[in-house]
Amino acid sequence: DTGVSQDPRHKITKRGQNVTFRCDPISEHNRLYWYRQTLGQGPEFLTYFQNEAQLEKSRLLSDRFSAERPKGSFSTLEIQRTEQGDSAMYLCASSLIGGIPETQYFGPGTRLLVL
Amino acid sequence: DAKTTQPNSMESNEEEPVHLPCNHSTISGTDYIHWYRQLPSQGPEYVIHGLTSNVNNRMASLAIAEDRKSSTLILHRATLRDAAVYYCIPEGGFKTIFGAGTRLFVKA
Repeated sequence: DTGVSQDPRHKITKRGQNVTFRCDPISEHNRLYWYRQTLGQGPEFLTYFQNEAQLEKSRLLSDRFSAERPKGSFSTLEIQRTEQGDSAMYLCASSLIGGIPETQYFGPGTRLLVL
Repeated sequence: DAKTTQPNSMESNEEEPVHLPCNHSTISGTDYIHWYRQLPSQGPEYVIHGLTSNVNNRMASLAIAEDRKSSTLILHRATLRDAAVYYCIPEGGFKTIFGAGTRLFVKA
């Protein structure tokens, strides 16, 4: 299976700790997206990359959130000084530029619990 | 950004057809209508998309109103595995915005 993968699938941390999540997109996909999903809500867009360039980051929730995609392949999302309100599912998706339409393919998500 | 309106929840009996409606009255003329669904504890998965004409694939059918202000996702024979949240999204790529979707309950 060559779908989008995310690691870890679950993360429990204490308030104030830093956490980092990894996303491996579908290999030929050049766009990569990060979303956050809280209980009962649809996914909320955070940021996206086109190859290694981060083209939209204004919707990152605070300056504690940052994302990288250093070589245009996998990406990481880091949350510094976690707060209990950061508890959520973090989803990654990838797509191919030029697809008509541009369909996103999602990973299984990383579920974060901040104690 | 185009706005959507979907029922919060719907219920169906197994083996019966389900029609999931979506209003997207502010959709622009060139935006595709996407439908995704999210099974419990999984990421969203693509279901179908369309622009103007009705579309069929192995998962579902999509009926698009002539004025494109609404669409209906049709599951021809609901199964228990179709119980999920269904999202209608009138834009794609980096403009993808998820609403709360419709939670479909399927009764055996």
